[in-house]
Amino acid sequence: DARVTQTPRHKVTEMGQEVTMRCQPILGHNTVFWYRQTMMQGLELLAYFRNRAPLDDSGMPKDRFSAEMPDATLATLKIQPSEPRDSAVYFCASGLVPGAYSGNTIYFGEGSWLTVV
Amino acid sequence: AQTVTQSQPEMSVQEAETVTLSCTYDTSESDYYLFWYKQPPSRQMILVIRQEAYKQQNATENRFSVNFQKAAKSFSLKISDSQLGDAAMYFCAYRLIQGAQKLVFGQGTRLTINP
Repeated sequence: DARVTQTPRHKVTEMGQEVTMRCQPILGHNTVFWYRQTMMQGLELLAYFRNRAPLDDSGMPKDRFSAEMPDATLATLKIQPSEPRDSAVYFCASGLVPGAYSGNTIYFGEGSWLTVV
Repeated sequence: AQTVTQSQPEMSVQEAETVTLSCTYDTSESDYYLFWYKQPPSRQMILVIRQEAYKQQNATENRFSVNFQKAAKSFSLKISDSQLGDAAMYFCAYRLIQGAQKLVFGQGTRLTINP
């Protein structure tokens, strides 16, 4: 049963610490998304990659956030330094999006719950 | 820019009854997908149903169906024979077929099922 895997599931950290979240997309998927969910802002797109290349990271605070895909099986989202306002659920999602009329679904991981105190 | 609006922050329905969740969207594009995702308390995002904008026929998945009105840019979700397990946040989402294919979400509707 193919699924998107995220680690850690839960993380509590102190303000100023570095946080790295990891995502293993579904094998064969070429597009990976990072979303953040908060009560106030809802679901926001932070960044997404196609074939490991960043396509859009305009939703990401550049001074402290960075997203990479070192290889096709791993996507990372890093926050350095972390702040209390970064507390949220961070979702990774993947899909096979060739740009044709395929209707391919975007699948979500279970999320990484981050609390910065 | 594309936007998705869910005007009902909360809805409730009696078990076994039917409920309709509303969604409107704004786009100048003609080719896109629309989705309803369900998010139970576990926070898992689960795809409920998908509609291709080029299809006139409304999508159905068992007890879930949509009313897609392209000209009105409306995409409502109907849940028939509501069950306790349907209680969740429901998000409407939009995605282009070409170009930027990111999902754009509405703010969500919290659905409560009353036994």
